[in-house]
Amino acid sequence: DTGVSQNPRHKITKRGQNVTFRCDPISEHNRLYWYRQTLGQGPEFLTYFQNEAQLEKSRLLSDRFSAERPKGSFSTLEIQRTEQGDSAMYLCASSSNTGSNKPNEQFFGPGTRLTVL
Amino acid sequence: KQEVTQIPAALSVPEGENLVLNCSFTDSAIYNLQWFRQDPGKGLTSLLLIQSSQREQTSGRLNASLDKSSGRSTLYIAASQPGDSATYLCAVEGNSGYALNFGKGTSLLVTP
Repeated sequence: DTGVSQNPRHKITKRGQNVTFRCDPISEHNRLYWYRQTLGQGPEFLTYFQNEAQLEKSRLLSDRFSAERPKGSFSTLEIQRTEQGDSAMYLCASSSNTGSNKPNEQFFGPGTRLTVL
Repeated sequence: KQEVTQIPAALSVPEGENLVLNCSFTDSAIYNLQWFRQDPGKGLTSLLLIQSSQREQTSGRLNASLDKSSGRSTLYIAASQPGDSATYLCAVEGNSGYALNFGKGTSLLVTP
């Protein structure tokens, strides 16, 4: 399977703990995105990388959220001092804006479902 | 701020019917529009992408149209099947060229 993969698929944690999620994009994709989806809502954009550069992070929900993409390959999203309101599905997507006949079509992974107790 | 609205929120149809899902957006300065399918508890599957210069795209039984000036898109599903049951999400990408703005989706149930 050469799609976007995310790990873990499910995470249960206690309030106040730190959590980290991983995303592996489609291998030739240079762009990577993180979104959050709560029940009954569409996904909400969080942040975006082009290669290893984080080009947009102003929409991360608070300073407890951070993301990295070392070497422009996989990415991690960390939430520090989790709160019950952080419970959601965290989705990763990737795209390519080079040599594609469908510019910037975003392909999503299966998501990581976070439950904060 | 781009607002995306999808109507109806939920739809139930018998198998075999043709149906139309609607999406509207407030800012017509878009780069492209994507339709996605989401099964319960799963990620999103890209169905169709329409670039801002295009009027429609087709894939199998699906046809999506775009009227950028009026801020509307429709997803037409022909000869619906129970396997089409899912939530359908519309998302627009603004001219900034990265973030997708999503609607809340239309939950579709196709009954045998």
